[in-house]
Amino acid sequence: DQQVKQNSPSLSVQEGRISILNCDYTNSMFDYFLWYKKYPAEGPTFLISISSIKDKNEDGRFTVFLNKSAKHLSLHIVPSQPGDSAVYFCAASAREGNKLVFGAGTILRVKS
Amino acid sequence: KAGVTQTPRYLIKTRGQQVTLSCSPISGHRSVSWYQQTPGQGLQFLFEYFSETQRNKGNFPGRFSGRQFSNSRSEMNVSTLELGDSALYLCASSLGDLRETQYFGPGTRLLVL
Repeated sequence: DQQVKQNSPSLSVQEGRISILNCDYTNSMFDYFLWYKKYPAEGPTFLISISSIKDKNEDGRFTVFLNKSAKHLSLHIVPSQPGDSAVYFCAASAREGNKLVFGAGTILRVKS
Repeated sequence: KAGVTQTPRYLIKTRGQQVTLSCSPISGHRSVSWYQQTPGQGLQFLFEYFSETQRNKGNFPGRFSGRQFSNSRSEMNVSTLELGDSALYLCASSLGDLRETQYFGPGTRLLVL
């Protein structure tokens, strides 16, 4: 039962353009969402998060949008840089349960 | 501050054997979570320990177990290994709430033959 889905296994973008990574969830109890980035041979590192009381959170080149009615969130990277090439995981949590549910990840390749 | 460390980094075992993986969290962090990463499945939550107590558990069989010591270091054990247990096992630490930033170790890559 995949409660958090990242339907695009991979995405290729030209350097300087926008990267949009998408994530859908099914559990309406989720109220906190995060994005993690993972390089090969390293553990995931936290990128940005958003609470369900907001619909947008921005941190430098990274912006996360949350559409609660559609149970959808997206991560925008503008402008994309070759160093952004990594696997991006979307994760969600509910206040009850205190555990993170991760998506399968999207491989982003930024071409120079 | 030193990051999360995991040992060993690579491991090869055969079916039926058991394995123990170790995780040392960031100093001061009391929560340690374990995840299994396989291609196409993302990170699957195994369990979380806080102050030596298992606080949360994912949907894995009882062959997967863990424990946490008084210094917050954690071990994960898998008994009667199966081919499907081949994966990257990641641990993450945080101060206490999973909504706080979790810091991941580099993982232990387990290959079961």
